Amino acid sequence: KQEVTQIPAALSVPEGENLVLNCSFTDSAIYNLQWFRQDPGKGLTSLLLIQSSQREQTSGRLNASLDKSSGRSTLYIAASQPGDSATYLCAVFINAGNMLTFGGGTRLMVKP
Amino acid sequence: EPEVTQTPSHQVTQMGQEVILRCVPISNHLYFYWYRQILGQKVEFLVSFYNNEISEKSEIFDDQFSVERPDGSNFTLKIRSTKLEDSAMYFCASSESLNRGRETQYFGPGTRLLVL
Repeated sequence: KQEVTQIPAALSVPEGENLVLNCSFTDSAIYNLQWFRQDPGKGLTSLLLIQSSQREQTSGRLNASLDKSSGRSTLYIAASQPGDSATYLCAVFINAGNMLTFGGGTRLMVKP
Repeated sequence: EPEVTQTPSHQVTQMGQEVILRCVPISNHLYFYWYRQILGQKVEFLVSFYNNEISEKSEIFDDQFSVERPDGSNFTLKIRSTKLEDSAMYFCASSESLNRGRETQYFGPGTRLLVL
């Protein structure tokens, strides 16, 4: 059974810092990996999707990488801003089913 | 920009009652999903739906749950007899396809269900 883990569970950084969020998964037979942002009490906003054949994807200040063989993905946020404060979730889409399996998230606080 | 919408945003119900949660997926999307998130826990997959039938369901999605696409725009989740442990945020999602870079799942804002 696929397990997705995110470390750290919480992170607090000063504004302007570059940071890395980690995601690991136990079964490397994934179809794609998607990073989401979740604001408190709100829905999930898709940030980036990386297909299994890709190594990375970029969107603005966000860069997501994927190392499928080692079961890891990272989300790099450059020049963090207070508005980046949210919970960041990674989810994998496995070959066997068209469903996303989520990690527990990293709660990010960017202090002004 | 097109988005997934869900109604109601909040629902309070008594244990044993039936509830229907409604979703309007993005109009050109073909794949629809329901997920739930119990407070403080991970987002969990419930069911996926394509071509008017369930394509995948989790262990959570037992006989108390059903899904329907009653018309060309709505996608509903029905819980027949709610239990206390059904209290959660329920998210609807949709995707255009399952491949060729169009498999991104877009989520609605959720319905917070509280069972008393």
